[in-house]
Amino acid sequence: DAMVIQNPRYQVTQFGKPVTLSCSQTLNHNVMYWYQQKSSQAPKLLFHYYDKDFNNEADTPDNFQSRRPNTSFCFLDIRSPGLGDAAMYLCATRGMAGGPTISYNEQFFGPGTRLTVL
Amino acid sequence: AQKVTQAQTEISVVEKEDVTLDCVYETRDTTYYLFWYKQPPSGELVFLIRRNSFDEQNEISGRYSWNFQKSTSSFNFTITASQVVDSAVYFCALSEAGGNEKLTFGTGTRLTIIP
Repeated sequence: DAMVIQNPRYQVTQFGKPVTLSCSQTLNHNVMYWYQQKSSQAPKLLFHYYDKDFNNEADTPDNFQSRRPNTSFCFLDIRSPGLGDAAMYLCATRGMAGGPTISYNEQFFGPGTRLTVL
Repeated sequence: AQKVTQAQTEISVVEKEDVTLDCVYETRDTTYYLFWYKQPPSGELVFLIRRNSFDEQNEISGRYSWNFQKSTSSFNFTITASQVVDSAVYFCALSEAGGNEKLTFGTGTRLTIIP
C-alpha cells in the first residue's frame, strides 16, 4: 500500500551527537513536511519542501536541517541534539490538485520517530 | 494569524455514551480548510475529515459526525455510541487555501473511553 514510512521508529542519541531521521513516501506527493511534537503538545511545523523548494519556519532553530534528495525521500538532521529536542518527529506529505491522488488537500502522516536524548 | 482552540484538554466517558469534542478557530482568510485528526497511542496521526470553508453541510460517517458553523467559527466532532477503540488524542487543525497549506493544530483533546 502507498504510505509514508519513517525510520527508525525509535531513536536514542547522546547529547550533542548528530542524528538523522528519515522519511520516505510512495504517494509521489510534491510536498513533504517535518513536525516536532513534544509530550502532550500539538505538532509544530519545522519546515517543508514544495518539490525541491525548502521553506523554513521562522522559529525553527538552526540546529535543525533538512535534505530532500528526490521526491520520495526527506531527511531531518539534528546537528547537536539537546535534551529539549527529545520529542516525536512526524513526517507528512501532501499531493497537489490534478496529481495522482484526488485527496490532494489533506496531509498524510507517517508513524513518527520518537527521539530520546541522553 | 490563524489559531485553533480546543478547550477540552481531557474527556472521559463510559463506553456507548455519545461525546462531542469542541473546536473553535480564528482566521482572516475567506477560504480555508478544517481538519480532524486522531492520534492513537501508537503515535501516527490519522486523517478523519477535511471541510472547506464554503461547505457548511454537516457530515456523518458511521458513528462520527461533524458540525461546521461559520457563524460561531466552530467545527465540532461527535462520536456516537463510543467504543474503547475511540480512545486517543484528537486534534482539530486549520489550513489556509492555496500555497503550501500549512496546518495549524489545536492543542488536542485526550479522549478516554471507559469500558
